[in-house]
Order: sequence, then C-alpha cells, then structure tokens
Amino acid sequence: EDKVVQSPLSLVVHEGDTVTLNCSYEVTNFRSLLWYKQEKKAPTFLFMLTSSGIEKKSGRLSSILDKKELSSILNITATQTGDSAIYLCAVHSGGGADGLTFGKGTHLIIQP
Amino acid sequence: EAGVTQSPTHLIKTRGQQATLRCSPISGHTSVYWYQQALGLGLQFLLWYDEGEERNRGNFPPRFSGRQFPNYSSELNVNALELEDSALYLCASNPDPGRGQPQHFGDGTRLSIL
Repeated sequence: EDKVVQSPLSLVVHEGDTVTLNCSYEVTNFRSLLWYKQEKKAPTFLFMLTSSGIEKKSGRLSSILDKKELSSILNITATQTGDSAIYLCAVHSGGGADGLTFGKGTHLIIQP
Repeated sequence: EAGVTQSPTHLIKTRGQQATLRCSPISGHTSVYWYQQALGLGLQFLLWYDEGEERNRGNFPPRFSGRQFPNYSSELNVNALELEDSALYLCASNPDPGRGQPQHFGDGTRLSIL
C-alpha cells in the first residue's frame, strides 16, 4: 500500500522566518511528487517534481526531490502571514491507479 | 478559464439517507477524481472517472459510487449515510490522465451527517 508521511504536522513561526516542510514516501512505480497549498477550500497546485525535474522554485517557495532518500522538502523563505495554510504532499504512482496518495499535511501558521 | 466547480457547497443529511454531489471539470479535461478529506485523515482517493468509465477506486465501500456524463461532469453518490461520512468531498480534474499532469481541485462539498 502506498504511503506518504509529512512532518511536522503543525508548525508555528514568526513572519520573516524560513521554514522547511518534509515529505517522505513509500510507493510502487513512483511517477511524480506534488505539493499543494490548502487555505480554506480547494488545494492549489504549487510544484510537481519528477525524475527529470528534481528541483523547482517559484518566488520564495522552492522544493527538492531526493529519489535516493524517497523524500522531498518544501522551503519557504521570508514567510508572510499569507503563507499560513495546510501544505499537502502527494505522490502519483503507476499501476493504472492515477489517483494521488496524500500525506496528512503540515498546518503552517505564520504569526505577525 | 473556469476552474473545477462543485455543488452544493454544503449538504446536511441524516444517517441512512443518500447524498448526491456534483462536479464539473475544467473545460477540456476528461478525467475526474473524487477525494474525501475527513478530519485528521487527510485526503483519501475515492474514485477516478475518465471518458465516462470508472477507471479505479480507492479503499471505500460500495455504497460510495458515481458516474461520469458525456460532457465529463460527474456525480458522487453516497448511500446509507453514516456519521463517519461527514467530510469535505473534493473533486479534481486532469487534462491528460496517466501522464502525471497535476490535478486541479474544486472548492469541495462539505457533507455533514446528523
């Protein structure tokens, strides 16, 4: 059974701090790892990492995939209160399933 | 471009009743996925529809079912509702299933069972 574990489950930091969120996975036929941000309702897509694209960056957010360690990190620098959200890690595996396996998420709170 | 739309926003039912949730994918997306997000459990994959066919289902009982219409919109039906079915039900769509394209989510339907 595919498994995705995120840590920490919750994190409270001050505005301006840098945070690192972790995701580890055990899946058959790994195809990609995705990060989503969920504020109130719909998770919004942040990054997708694959064997051919192990590092992505967008503004203050960046993510790296470590295929050897079966893990990924999501970094947020110079955090702002608007970064407060649940960050979800998901893995897409093969075998015809096509559904994503999600971790439980990291609840990030940025205090002013 | 309109995103994934779901209706209703909220749905309140009692135990034993049946619930129907609806989803319209992004225009041009043929695949629709349903997920359940229950408190403390994270998002769990329910069903995947593509081109009108059920392609895969997650580890949920048969009282969770659905269908996809010719216009690619989809319905999720939950029969014999139980208290633990209370959750946010999210629908996602994908333009190219099987190629690892990111799924795009709707705002969800909050189902509450009294």
